[in-house]
Amino acid sequence: DTAVSQTPKYLVTQMGNDKSIKCEQNLGHDTMYWYKQDSKKFLKIMFSYNNKELIINETVPNRFSPKSPDKAHLNLHINSLELGDSAVYFCASSQESAGGRPDTQYFGPGTRLTVL
Amino acid sequence: GNSVTQMEGPVTLSEEAFLTINCTYTATGYPSLFWYVQYPGEGLQLLLKATKADDKGSNKGFEATYRKETTSFHLEKGSVQVSDSAVYFCALGRNFNKFYFGSGTKLNVKP
Repeated sequence: DTAVSQTPKYLVTQMGNDKSIKCEQNLGHDTMYWYKQDSKKFLKIMFSYNNKELIINETVPNRFSPKSPDKAHLNLHINSLELGDSAVYFCASSQESAGGRPDTQYFGPGTRLTVL
Repeated sequence: GNSVTQMEGPVTLSEEAFLTINCTYTATGYPSLFWYVQYPGEGLQLLLKATKADDKGSNKGFEATYRKETTSFHLEKGSVQVSDSAVYFCALGRNFNKFYFGSGTKLNVKP
């Protein structure tokens, strides 16, 4: 039973198109994230949502818009795709432990986005 | 601010060699520290963690000790296997689920 799932696993599209990546977690966690991993494996946080509210919004272009319909889902919509958006996008979730201490993040399998 | 620095890779070792991947951090107070592993084509998964100074995290033969005096959390394994080939990430966690990742270290283990 998959804890954090993402669809699609691969996404190939043309420049200028709009696309979405979906993420679902069945762990009951309150916080979900989107990360971007470049070709050198560098991992960059994009967004963090806690109970459907945006907590972290790093300096990403406003072409990227996260949407959280409920606390188990965090989707990523990308408008006007550019070549530089090609990367692997990871969804993750976590739950604070007692006292607000950070706890383990659980990552999805990733979505490899290729913009042609 | 908060940040994590880990040694650049790739690190190439022969099977059964000793592994150390260095990780140092910058943070105020008492963050939690994590090591994640990413196998080819997969997402990251937790390898081990430590939540306070002098804690030792361990899993699958890997160990790391939270050293506040040197602000370090170095990953070690006594005898690596080919199956340990992966990218390893050191990460720091703060309250309210804020996480900071190192740049990753690729490990190649040759038979």
